Amino acid sequence: GQQLNQSPQSMFIQEGEDVSMNCTSSSIFNTWLWYKQDPGEGPVLLIALYKAGELTSNGRLTAQFGITRKDSFLNISASIPSDVGIYFCAGHPNSGGSNYKLTFGKGTLLTVNP
Amino acid sequence: NAGVTQTPKFQVLKTGQSMTLQCAQDMNHNSMYWYRQDPGMGLRLIYYSASEGTTDKGEVPNGYNVSRLNKREFSLRLESAAPSQTSVYFCASYGYTFGSGTRLTVV
Repeated sequence: GQQLNQSPQSMFIQEGEDVSMNCTSSSIFNTWLWYKQDPGEGPVLLIALYKAGELTSNGRLTAQFGITRKDSFLNISASIPSDVGIYFCAGHPNSGGSNYKLTFGKGTLLTVNP
Repeated sequence: NAGVTQTPKFQVLKTGQSMTLQCAQDMNHNSMYWYRQDPGMGLRLIYYSASEGTTDKGEVPNGYNVSRLNKREFSLRLESAAPSQTSVYFCASYGYTFGSGTRLTVV
């Protein structure tokens, strides 16, 4: 089946630093999603990408849909302590419709040292 | 608040017991999903329902059954719980909105 390789597995950074993480797929995806999960909660959607080459921002977060459609990137600028959590990428081969059988990466655990 | 509601939040079962995890969404979405999350494994799809009246297997369906009761509700049943089913279970609606999870321990 489809696989997503997410890296790095974990990051420990100082407050104020920028963060980058990425996901690569063994096959083409037409939808890329980035989620954040806080302890004891479900994942919360941060950014959705639907077009190759698309660059989308949500506050200090910026995500890009790779032009090969096999990768995606998430950047967090000027990290703050509340950025702590697990970040997941997810992808889907379809670009629309109501059936989103997402494939998830294994997550990047982000720790921010105040 | 609009969203996905899961019950119960915590559950401890003995091996062989059965239980049903409940999920309801109030966003009028057609598709609903059940995932399990294990340490280091990310989220894996158990079953999904593309629309009311339809269900289909995901990546890890063995040991589970589901029922799409109506457009709002999608339940997950463990007929005979096993320790390997100890996990955190998430219900999602449309693939974008997740519930807060059910933490299940099978002893």
